[in-house]
Amino acid sequence: EADIYQTPRYLVIGTGKKITLECSQTMGHDKMYWYQQDPGMELHLIHYSYGVNSTEKGDLSSESTVSRIRTEHFPLTLESARPSHTSQYLCASTLTDGAMGTEAFFGQGTRLTVV
Amino acid sequence: GEDVEQSLFLSVREGDSSVINCTYTDSSSTYLYWYKQEPGAGLQLLTYIFSNMDMKQDQRLTVLLNKKDKHLSLRIADTQTGDSAIYFCAEIPFSGTYKYIFGTGTRLKVLA
Repeated sequence: EADIYQTPRYLVIGTGKKITLECSQTMGHDKMYWYQQDPGMELHLIHYSYGVNSTEKGDLSSESTVSRIRTEHFPLTLESARPSHTSQYLCASTLTDGAMGTEAFFGQGTRLTVV
Repeated sequence: GEDVEQSLFLSVREGDSSVINCTYTDSSSTYLYWYKQEPGAGLQLLTYIFSNMDMKQDQRLTVLLNKKDKHLSLRIADTQTGDSAIYFCAEIPFSGTYKYIFGTGTRLKVLA
């Protein structure tokens, strides 16, 4: 059972509002990731972090920002939401173990709709 | 560049075998993975294979790896309606960044 949680599960918000999507994990994983999943199913990495105070932009450009002040917490913020931000957002964390590979644990996702 | 390709859809009848295919471009990955995403949920690891293996069997799941052709497949025996989901293959290229490269996903529909 994965111990990684995202809130809210669903969010409908008006254009121009500031929103924060929460992601927390209790597994002590140092690496955390945010993916955007479009309706065509494909996952796009938008942010990742290797540890506290480490954040990097992913492969898909995003207007969102992230922070990593605590190991367990990796929130994503949109300062001014737009309809083009409507999507499913998935948070993940990994524990690297060279002997067993690297399993990624995913949260349930936040489905964001901007109207 | 890094690219992982899958066919988008697969439809099978309950009780038949399903085969989901994947091609990848980066041969530096130590492991290759299969993840399952059920409706309204995140991804869950199904199985993985070490890059120097050709085959791995895990109950109803069989993973085949052809390193020469950079081709990975997942076979599900006796497919059940509960297997209906999106399946992603994935790799982590040996670049030190620990970034997963996920495939485009295959939506499996199991008909009763």
